[in-house]
Amino acid sequence: DAGVTQSPTHLIKTRGQHVTLRCSPISGHKSVSWYQQVLGQGPQFIFQYYEKEERGRGNFPDRFSARQFPNYSSELNVNALLLGDSALYLCASSPGAGGPRSYEQYFGPGTRLTVT
Amino acid sequence: DQQVKQNSPSLSVQEGRISILNCDYTNSMFDYFLWYKKYPAEGPTFLISISSIKDKNEDGRFTVFLNKSAKHLSLHIVPSQPGDSAVYFCAASITGNQFYFGTGTSLTVIP
Repeated sequence: DAGVTQSPTHLIKTRGQHVTLRCSPISGHKSVSWYQQVLGQGPQFIFQYYEKEERGRGNFPDRFSARQFPNYSSELNVNALLLGDSALYLCASSPGAGGPRSYEQYFGPGTRLTVT
Repeated sequence: DQQVKQNSPSLSVQEGRISILNCDYTNSMFDYFLWYKKYPAEGPTFLISISSIKDKNEDGRFTVFLNKSAKHLSLHIVPSQPGDSAVYFCAASITGNQFYFGTGTSLTVIP
């Protein structure tokens, strides 16, 4: 079975630009979460979506937004990019159907975003 | 505000011995705890988890212990193998809707 996939793998953008990152969850998983990981730190929670509804939001500015599609894939959008947005962006999927296993998140390889 | 902390950035252990990785948390609302393993250039891989209603969960060589009164959890790897060398993250969740990760501990298992 295919794992979580993310695109693109790497991306270079200029300050002030907009970026869209994409994620396809594991087949059968209905929940997708997004994380930002800067060097030397653990992943920081940005959003969680389940059945196209936002279920959780971390402490990130409104420049960050996301959505989930009927096929459970997801996009993370970041507007007005800042140098500090340079990071590895991770997507994780989980069954999200309730019960203990809904907590187990499976991560994709990430998208490395560099803002210059 | 770092709600999940891993105070040891690195740990070195001889092959065959026990590795103990520690994690502390501050939020008593956390109801589920997880450990992830991460290799360079890959996303974190789920390793083992524990509900707040339990104090121990075991899966093969990996055991997680939870001490709610101390707000502390630990991951024991016995016996340690060179392939276990990676960065380990602990994470905590509130109702499965928000997840908080520690800063990671880099484990090196020496052959």
